[in-house]
Amino acid sequence: AQSVTQLDSHVSVSEGTPVLLRCNYSSSYSPSLFWYVQHPNKGLQLLLKYTSAATLVKGINGFEAEFKKSETSFHLTKPSAHMSDAAEYFCVVRGDSGYALNFGKGTSLLVTP
Amino acid sequence: EAGVAQSPRYKIIEKRQSVAFWCNPISGHATLYWYQQILGQGPKLLIQFQNNGVVDDSQLPKDRFSAERLKGVDSTLKIQPAKLEDSAVYLCASSPYLAGEGETQYFGPGTRLLVL
Repeated sequence: AQSVTQLDSHVSVSEGTPVLLRCNYSSSYSPSLFWYVQHPNKGLQLLLKYTSAATLVKGINGFEAEFKKSETSFHLTKPSAHMSDAAEYFCVVRGDSGYALNFGKGTSLLVTP
Repeated sequence: EAGVAQSPRYKIIEKRQSVAFWCNPISGHATLYWYQQILGQGPKLLIQFQNNGVVDDSQLPKDRFSAERLKGVDSTLKIQPAKLEDSAVYLCASSPYLAGEGETQYFGPGTRLLVL
């Protein structure tokens, strides 16, 4: 079964410092992987997706993620955090049937001034 | 382009009562999904429609939950009777086609249900 594990439930960074949100995946074949962001009282928004093309994926708002098959990881990074980045972030893998998205438990990002 | 619309945004009911949620997907999107997001967890798929047919409802508690998409456009999710553990945010999402590699799902704002 396809699944993801987000290694940190909470991450706190200072504004202007790098962001690293960690995600490991479990998959029996080359997975489709996504990162979604959820701001309070707003819908989930796609940040980026990996679909077996380039291993370094660039997304919106300066975020990027690198697919590392040897480490079964898909960590999300951003060089410099902004206050508006404070939100819940979900690492997601497409399920076995090819239909459902299997979400991680989420990482809450706090950005301090 | 208008996004996925959901109503109501909030609902409070007592256990054993019934409740219904409505979703209008992005225009032209063939596939519609309902997810349940319990506090502190990631969303979990309840049911997926392709046009007006069910593709996957394996995780839908069919003894109390039902969903329909009669004309292949908007959809209704119903809970009857509700239990305390149904308190969650119910998210609707849509995508243009049946899920394929990298297919993006677009999410609505959700309906927050509290069962007392």
